Amino acid sequence: EEQLVEFGGGLVQPGRSLRLSCTASGFTFGDYAMSWFRQAPGKGLEWVGFIRSKAYGETTEYAASVKGRFTISRDDSKSIAYLQMNSLQTEDTAVYFCTRDKHFDAMDVWGQGTTVTVSS
Amino acid sequence: DIQLTQSPSFLSASVGDRVTITCRASQGISSYLAWYQQKPGQSPNLLIYVASTLQSGVPSRFSGSGSGTEFTLTISSLQPEDFATYYCQQLNSYPRTFGQGTKVEIK
Repeated sequence: EEQLVEFGGGLVQPGRSLRLSCTASGFTFGDYAMSWFRQAPGKGLEWVGFIRSKAYGETTEYAASVKGRFTISRDDSKSIAYLQMNSLQTEDTAVYFCTRDKHFDAMDVWGQGTTVTVSS
Repeated sequence: DIQLTQSPSFLSASVGDRVTITCRASQGISSYLAWYQQKPGQSPNLLIYVASTLQSGVPSRFSGSGSGTEFTLTISSLQPEDFATYYCQQLNSYPRTFGQGTKVEIK
């Protein structure tokens, strides 16, 4: 079964950092781009950013709201994608999802999400 | 950024009803549109991609159509498990944006 599991959410103070991990199983992780999305409490879905596969240089794209603060990386040997979040703000409070990204064919595998709460 | 506007934002329907949700893009996005279903406390589930291709395992009562700036998701006969929130997403350009969602509730 193709599966993604996120780890690393929690309560963090404004201005601090947090790193989320997304572990993949059931498919060849290195063949795919990976994306991160988030959903603030009671709100809709927001794209955070994505990382291309090694074949496409592992280049990244980010939403304007997180660019310069968040960094996406990957370790294909461990089948893990990471979301490093720095200078966290209260508006970053959300459930964070990682997804397998099939580009024009959309996001077909989603993790269960991990909750990040930014509060003093 | 490309804006996606879904209508309606809220829909009350009965089991067996035919339901149509519309997604309008602020500029042309070819056929690069996906539809997701999300139930409370769960992650989104891909239903349709490239506007009209049914994702594997999704019931055939779901269908999508459209291109350019106007798209529709149709549920031919609403089932109890279909009561959820539905989102469209454009994959034509970055940032990848979503519609605001359409909540389908039991009448």
